[in-house]
Amino acid sequence: DAGVTQSPTHLIKTRGQHVTLRCSPISGHKSVSWYQQVLGQGPQFIFQYYEKEERGRGNFPDRFSARQFPNYSSELNVNALLLGDSALYLCASSSWGGNTEAFFGQGTRLTVV
Amino acid sequence: QQQVKQSPQSLIVQKGGISIINCAYENTAFDYFPWYQQFPGKGPALLIAIRPDVSEKKEGRFTISFNKSAKQFSLHIMDSQPGDSATYFCAAGSGAGSYQLTFGKGTKLSVIP
Repeated sequence: DAGVTQSPTHLIKTRGQHVTLRCSPISGHKSVSWYQQVLGQGPQFIFQYYEKEERGRGNFPDRFSARQFPNYSSELNVNALLLGDSALYLCASSSWGGNTEAFFGQGTRLTVV
Repeated sequence: QQQVKQSPQSLIVQKGGISIINCAYENTAFDYFPWYQQFPGKGPALLIAIRPDVSEKKEGRFTISFNKSAKQFSLHIMDSQPGDSATYFCAAGSGAGSYQLTFGKGTKLSVIP
């Protein structure tokens, strides 16, 4: 069984640029959430999507946006990158209804220089 | 505002010993409390989780103890092994349909032979 897949695994961007990160959830899971994990800290919730609709948003600026596609995959977009956006970006997939467990991908390591 | 406080920040345990990590939360809306294990370069992996209607849950060498009135929960790792050396995160979840997780800052566990 394929787990949560994220691409790319590593990325280096320059301040001010834009980045798009991608996530494919576990087959059968319809909810995708995005988390930011800064080095040495716990993951911090950014967005939750279900059926292409945003169902939750964490305390992140409007430079962060996301969307979910009909096949339940998702993209996280970050505009006007800052040095402080350097982090591991994690995607988690789960089913919807019954509040089941969230399973994380390996993440995308973003470095902003 | 940190909603989930985790301690200690780091922990060194002898092989065969018991590792204990503690967490405290503030938001009474949380109704799901998972623990994740993370190895360097990997995404968090779900270890064990508990809901507030039980005070203890055991899976193999891992046990969660939950104190609803004190708003505290802890992870006990019995017979700790060098392979358990990793960073452990407690989390608390709330939400309808699928959980949005708030993580602690993590505990780096080192199990020495």
